[in-house]
Amino acid sequence: AQTVTQSQPEMSVQEAETVTLSCTYDTSESNYYLFWYKQPPSRQMILVIRQEAYKQQNATENRFSVNFQKAAKSFSLKISDSQLGDTAMYFCAFMKLKGGVTGGGNKLTFGTGTQLKVEL
Amino acid sequence: EAQVTQNPRYLITVTGKKLTVTCSQNMNHEYMSWYRQDPGLGLRQIYYSMNVEVTDKGDVPEGYKVSRKEKRNFPLILESPSPNQTSLYFCASSWTGDDGYTFGSGTRLTVV
Repeated sequence: AQTVTQSQPEMSVQEAETVTLSCTYDTSESNYYLFWYKQPPSRQMILVIRQEAYKQQNATENRFSVNFQKAAKSFSLKISDSQLGDTAMYFCAFMKLKGGVTGGGNKLTFGTGTQLKVEL
Repeated sequence: EAQVTQNPRYLITVTGKKLTVTCSQNMNHEYMSWYRQDPGLGLRQIYYSMNVEVTDKGDVPEGYKVSRKEKRNFPLILESPSPNQTSLYFCASSWTGDDGYTFGSGTRLTVV
C-alpha cells in the first residue's frame, strides 16, 4: 500500500516570500502520478499541480513549482511570491498509473496536509 | 460551467436515520469517487465508480452504499448513520483518473 507523509502540519510565510512544503511517499510502483491540492477556508479542493513520475522535468504552474526526486521519493511544492490568497491547507497526493495494479479506481492517496498561512 | 455539485452542503442528523448525499457532474466524466476528510487523517476514499453500474469499495466503505445508474450521478447513502460518520465528505470526478480529479464543494455531516 502507498503512504504519503507531510511532516509539516503548519507553516507561515511573509507575503512576497518563497516557501517550500515537503512531501514524501512510499511505493513499490515505478509509474505513478503525484499531485498537490489546495484547500482554502472555503474548503473547496483545488488542483494546484500534477507530476508524472516518468517525466524527469519538474512541473510548474505560474508561481507554483515542484521538486520531484524520484529516487528519494520526495515531492516538494515551492510557492514563489507568496500572496495572501495562498493561505490554505495543502495536500500532497499519490496515484498509481492506470493499467498498473488494478483496484481503487485510480484512487488518490492523500497526506495529512500542511496548513500554510501567508502573513503581511 | 464545468463542475461537480454536491448537496446538501451541511447536514445534521440523528443516529440511525437514513440519508443520501447527492453528487452530480456535468463533464461526462467516467470516474467518480467519494472521500471523507477527517482532521489529522487527510482524505480517504470511501467508494469509487469507473462507469455506469461499475462501483467498488475504497479504503473505508463500512456503513456506506453508492450507486451509479447514470453517468452524471453518484449518490452516497448512509443507511444507518452513526456518530463516527461525522465528517466532511467530498465527491470527485475525472476523465481518466490520472488527469486529476475535480472536487465538489463538500458536505459537512454531523451525526448526533
